[in-house]
Amino acid sequence: DAKTTQPPSMDCAEGRAANLPCNHSTISGNEYVYWYRQIHSQGPQYIIHGLKNNETNEMASLIITEDRKSSTLILPHATLRDTAVYYCIGPSAGNMLTFGGGTRLMVKP
Amino acid sequence: GAGVSQSPSNKVTEKGKDVELRCDPISGHTALYWYRQSLGQGLEFLIYFQGNSAPDKSGLPSDRFSAERTGGSVSTLTIQRTQQEDSAVYLCASSPRQKAGHSYNEQFFGPGTRLTVL
Repeated sequence: DAKTTQPPSMDCAEGRAANLPCNHSTISGNEYVYWYRQIHSQGPQYIIHGLKNNETNEMASLIITEDRKSSTLILPHATLRDTAVYYCIGPSAGNMLTFGGGTRLMVKP
Repeated sequence: GAGVSQSPSNKVTEKGKDVELRCDPISGHTALYWYRQSLGQGLEFLIYFQGNSAPDKSGLPSDRFSAERTGGSVSTLTIQRTQQEDSAVYLCASSPRQKAGHSYNEQFFGPGTRLTVL
C-alpha cells in the first residue's frame, strides 16, 4: 500500500487559495493519487485524482511533482463551506480506500 | 439522481444486543464497501462486495461482524452481541464498474449510521 503523509491541520482565509500538501514517496509509477474530503457529520466526498499530469475540475486543481513523490491540492478561492478534513489517498491492495489522518482545513472569515 | 442511502441514521443499543445496518447503493453500481469511523479517526475498511464475486472480508474486526448483499444491490451489515467499542459511524460506499487503466474507481459515500452502544 502506498503510504501518504499530510499535515494535521491548516488555516486559510476566506477567498484565498488553500494549498494542501501530501507526500506519497512510496507510490509506484502506475498508481493514482486520490483526494477526498469529509465535512463534519457527512460521508467522504470525492474531489479529484491524478497520475502524472496536473488535473483540474470544478472543485479543485491537483499539482503532482515530476517525481510523483508529492502532490498539492489547490482550492483556488476557499469558502467557509470548504472547512473539512482533506484526505490524500494512495491505492491499497484490492479496491478499498485507506484513509490516514488527513488535513483539517479551517477556512476563516 | 439518488445517492447512496443508509438507515437508520442513528442507532442506540444496549451492550449485547444485535444490530442491523442497511445500505442502498447507487443503482447500477457493482461495487459496495463498508467502512467504520470512530470519533476523530480516519476510515477503517470492513468489507467489499464486487458483483457476484466472493466478498473481501479482510477488514471485519471479529466474527461478530457479518454482511450480505442481496441481489447485487442492497447490503446489510450485522453486528452481533454489540460491545461499547463498536460505537462508531458506519459508512457505506458504492462505485461503478472499474474503468480500464484505473486501480480503482471513485467511491460514492452515504451519510453513515451513527451507532452508540451503551
